Amino acid sequence: DVVMTQTPVSLSVSLGGQVSISCRSSQSLVHNNGNTYLSWYLQKPGQSPQLLIYKVSNRFSGISDRFSGSGSGTDFTLKISRVEPDDLGVYYCGQGTQYPTFGSGTKLEIK
Amino acid sequence: EVQLVESGGGLVQPGRSMKLSCAASGFTFSNYGMAWVRQAPTKGLEWVATISYDGSSTYYRDSVKGRFTISRDNAKSTLYLQMNSLRSEDTATYYCTRYGYFDYWGQGVMVTVSS
Repeated sequence: DVVMTQTPVSLSVSLGGQVSISCRSSQSLVHNNGNTYLSWYLQKPGQSPQLLIYKVSNRFSGISDRFSGSGSGTDFTLKISRVEPDDLGVYYCGQGTQYPTFGSGTKLEIK
Repeated sequence: EVQLVESGGGLVQPGRSMKLSCAASGFTFSNYGMAWVRQAPTKGLEWVATISYDGSSTYYRDSVKGRFTISRDNAKSTLYLQMNSLRSEDTATYYCTRYGYFDYWGQGVMVTVSS
């Protein structure tokens, strides 16, 4: 299985600030077809996960441009700028290049 | 609007069976692979099984192989998960999600395996 390692486990940010979440995979996520199937999800308190970013840097429909994804190979980053109250929750990275696996999550708290 | 609505969860004794359903609407169900993802209490996300758009291919995580069966009825736009020989470690909220990028998720259904 591809192991996804997220850091940090939790972070606290002031409203309007910026944060970065790191995700590393135990193997390259470049698929044989050349695509990299790395996604980011947000699970708000009491809700189901929602897709934010797919294929490393593509924002899903309706997702604010305050969210951006980057990276390649085994190292990926999610950046959130101008943090808003509604951004709190747990962020997960996930890969679909092989059988799907997810990171253990990063809890974002608002100061 | 895409909607996925799970049903069929509850409390079940170890070793018994349970079948989950997921009713899909708002998209052409028969065009998409589908999946089940679960989340144990206070834990992270764990992929369980995937089925191709036409049901011809299925994939499972090792810990449920031989016990769980994913299936679909495209005429009814419904996804299923038959769970047999349930164990305490199967206790989780089970989410139905559209495969590919897991772009849409249901509200989840809780399955508790306990005597």
